Amino acid sequence: EPEVTQTPSHQVTQMGQEVILRCVPISNHLYFYWYRQILGQKVEFLVSFYNNEISEKSEIFDDQFSVERPDGSNFTLKIRSTKLEDSAMYFCASSVGRGETDTQYFGPGTRLTVL
Amino acid sequence: DAKTTQPNSMESNEEEPVHLPCNHSTISGTDYIHWYRQLPSQGPEYVIHGLTSNVNNRMASLAIAEDRKSSTLILHRATLRDAAVYYCILRDSGAGSYQLTFGKGTKLSVIP
Repeated sequence: EPEVTQTPSHQVTQMGQEVILRCVPISNHLYFYWYRQILGQKVEFLVSFYNNEISEKSEIFDDQFSVERPDGSNFTLKIRSTKLEDSAMYFCASSVGRGETDTQYFGPGTRLTVL
Repeated sequence: DAKTTQPNSMESNEEEPVHLPCNHSTISGTDYIHWYRQLPSQGPEYVIHGLTSNVNNRMASLAIAEDRKSSTLILHRATLRDAAVYYCILRDSGAGSYQLTFGKGTKLSVIP
């Protein structure tokens, strides 16, 4: 069964450094998402991406964040200058469509630790 | 998205049926009811969804109240692998929003 993959599984970085989290969505999916989950808290939506542009973003997704689909398979989340509060699990997801019945398939996550 | 209310936690014995409730009293006519779950240290996973009628799939059943103000996710025989946080999420066909809005969910513990 196709699945969403994410690399790395764990990223440790120093405050102020840039990080890039990588995702490979399911191959025939057209919509891509990033969510994050701070330890012990809810899963929070960050951004959705379709047709090479952001289609929706949350208040969390400020100028420090950017997303890109650099080639036909990868989908990346860049955090320009990491802060301590960016420490969280970051989940990538993808879906065929964006309708109310479309399932979002999530990857296993990247644990980001900012020191 | 309309708000949902779920118990914080539930327990079940292994191989027993589990009924996970969700209240959504402000649901609109176009809201679909989705259930996702999150196993420990994993990403969320789709379980089932429905609009008005009860639904069955290989993972679970979804029972939707006639007035749609509540629903119940039914796991017919809980296994240890079903220990997870279960999220009840409403998705509005007319809202134009892409995101899933997760609440705190119900943490299901399965006792061997």
